[in-house]
Amino acid sequence: QVLLQVSGPGLVKPSETLSLTCSVSGGSIRSNDYYWGWIRQPPGKELEWIGSIFNTGSTYDNPSLRSRFTISVDTSKNQFSLKLRSVTAADTAVYYCARNAYESSGYAMNWFDVWGQGILVTVSS
Amino acid sequence: QSVLTQPPSASGAPGQRVTISCSGGKSNIEIHTVNWYQQVPGTAPKLLIYRTHLRPSGVPDRFSGSKSGTSASLAISGLQSEDEAHYYCASWDDKMNVVFGGGTQLTVL
Repeated sequence: QVLLQVSGPGLVKPSETLSLTCSVSGGSIRSNDYYWGWIRQPPGKELEWIGSIFNTGSTYDNPSLRSRFTISVDTSKNQFSLKLRSVTAADTAVYYCARNAYESSGYAMNWFDVWGQGILVTVSS
Repeated sequence: QSVLTQPPSASGAPGQRVTISCSGGKSNIEIHTVNWYQQVPGTAPKLLIYRTHLRPSGVPDRFSGSKSGTSASLAISGLQSEDEAHYYCASWDDKMNVVFGGGTQLTVL
């Protein structure tokens, strides 16, 4: 059974960089069957996909968020990470990591089948 | 403003059948598959339907998905109190990549 666990600070100051890590257990991040994704959800609002990464480091991302986010993978630690630069109050959200399955015919046919528990990140001074 | 449009709320009595719609466009639902997620408040979303109509192992066959043109639907039959949750559709968009709907809050009366 694959489990995903998000870790990182729950409080970040405005203009600083938020760093989150998702640790994968019960499965290998090296699997070619999955991407690994980040999704966030501001309090009381809808889900917003941030981006997904493959074990090679190849990524797909949300064009509207691309300039401030960096997603990376560390296969030796079975982890992948998210960095968000220059945070503002609008970045306050629950951040989820998830396993991102996809069809071999193309990444467009993809879905998030296992989710971590999420972490609430508040941006405040 | 979400790329995919869902009604903010839906309701039904126990045992009834409820349908939740998800409206998109030519660059997403019309040409790509749709996924549905269930989210109980305070918990992570759970995959309910993928590739428009497939159910992951463990999801009851009371849940079914379909699409026609630029719209998709999630149907829940034999409504149960445990079905009370938020439901989100998602698809691939040729401009925006992965997009989610705004979510529908389902109330079991």
